[in-house]
Amino acid sequence: QSVLTQPPSVSAAPGQKVTISCSGSSSNIGSNYVSWYQQLPGTAPKLLIYDNNKRPSGIPDRFSDSKSGTSATLGITGLQTGDEADYYCGTWDTSLSAVVFGGGTKLTVL
Amino acid sequence: QVQLVESGGGVVQPGGSLRLACAASGFNFIDFGMHWVRQAPGQGLEWVALIRTVETRKYFYADSVKGRFTVSRDNSKNMLYLDMKSLRLEDTAVYYCAKPLSASGPGIDYWGQGTLVTVSS
Repeated sequence: QSVLTQPPSVSAAPGQKVTISCSGSSSNIGSNYVSWYQQLPGTAPKLLIYDNNKRPSGIPDRFSDSKSGTSATLGITGLQTGDEADYYCGTWDTSLSAVVFGGGTKLTVL
Repeated sequence: QVQLVESGGGVVQPGGSLRLACAASGFNFIDFGMHWVRQAPGQGLEWVALIRTVETRKYFYADSVKGRFTVSRDNSKNMLYLDMKSLRLEDTAVYYCAKPLSASGPGIDYWGQGTLVTVSS
């Protein structure tokens, strides 16, 4: 059981927009920055978004995030078949003194 | 460029021990804390441990490994280690060495390729 809650799967058609939610509590999302990761099959995770909607070099602005209270949301616009992957949210939990991740969301681009 | 290369994975019996290593390059290793994150087959990411650079409250562990795993580093060699003992079937996973975005933050900007640990009798 993950500390952060994500939907197991989402799907949308190419070119459309999809959102992936990440729900936590006041001790994690409510008081710390959230990061989002993309994991393509058979590869290590890759950082997509960090520290309030910042993107590493090379990550297109089709990827964005927002936060409200104890929940965060990753948005992906202009979906491409290459976006099919597992997506994870993560942050620090102040009460646990630990990094916590969501259970992951599998994105299918129909 | 940043490179993280894990080694030391393999097959071990329940109750056994194993030491993982991670060779880091391409950044100032001594300035950053380092994480270990694992992923069981077909499962999600699970954070394992963090070793910070400062001496006070330097080590952090997931409850699932506390008392069994020990993280350490050799700054002179740019090496990160994870000593695992009393291994359980549920410790079977790919173990990633990971560099945080900033000092010892939770956000991770670089991951190694991972090393597979299989606990099996």
